[in-house]
Amino acid sequence: SQQGEEDPQALSIQEGENATMNCSYKTSINNLQWYRQNSGRGLVHLILIRSNEREKHSGRLRVTLDTSKKSSSLLITASRAADTASYFCATDALGEGGGAQKLVFGQGTRLTINP
Amino acid sequence: DTGVSQDPRHKITKRGQNVTFRCDPISEHNRLYWYRQTLGQGPEFLTYFQNEAQLEKSRLLSDRFSAERPKGSFSTLEIQRTEQGDSAMYLCASSLFNYPQETQYFGPGTRLLVL
Repeated sequence: SQQGEEDPQALSIQEGENATMNCSYKTSINNLQWYRQNSGRGLVHLILIRSNEREKHSGRLRVTLDTSKKSSSLLITASRAADTASYFCATDALGEGGGAQKLVFGQGTRLTINP
Repeated sequence: DTGVSQDPRHKITKRGQNVTFRCDPISEHNRLYWYRQTLGQGPEFLTYFQNEAQLEKSRLLSDRFSAERPKGSFSTLEIQRTEQGDSAMYLCASSLFNYPQETQYFGPGTRLLVL
């Protein structure tokens, strides 16, 4: 079963506006990552935030993490038509025996940027 | 292109047939993951390798599924006696594990349709 839940499930905004997506998760984590997926394609890694970090920036992306609320947000500023995609948060989950850090994904937010 | 590659990109098969997918990870990466993604959902973990050893399998991976990573390089995922419920995107990811931080890089996926 999937751990994360993204909110909203779909978001449509005008080009140039800011887009905010939220993610909630259930268990303790080491890291939280955000990925982008264009329709029918593979996932592109956007940003990783560690559990001891509260905010991180990368270009037009800003990610926050609140481990007390088990939630994260992704802000895309000055959106562009090319930002149209699905966005997923993924938390790591230690595998059996404490080995693998398999990723557990939410259902994603479908973002549409209207020109 | 030095990213993760997957072959084939698309596969249509009839129910009951066997199919095999291939994943070539980024060359220096020691970990390789397989995920499955159905329409409108986030990817779900199937199995993972560290070098040539398969260290974890999800309960989603029935005995009709088998994965290998000979010599710790490329990996194959085989589905025997395919069922319509196997229709999905199969994603491969690789990483160079550096605890506690691990970024997984995804390939473009293989889309399977079982008729």
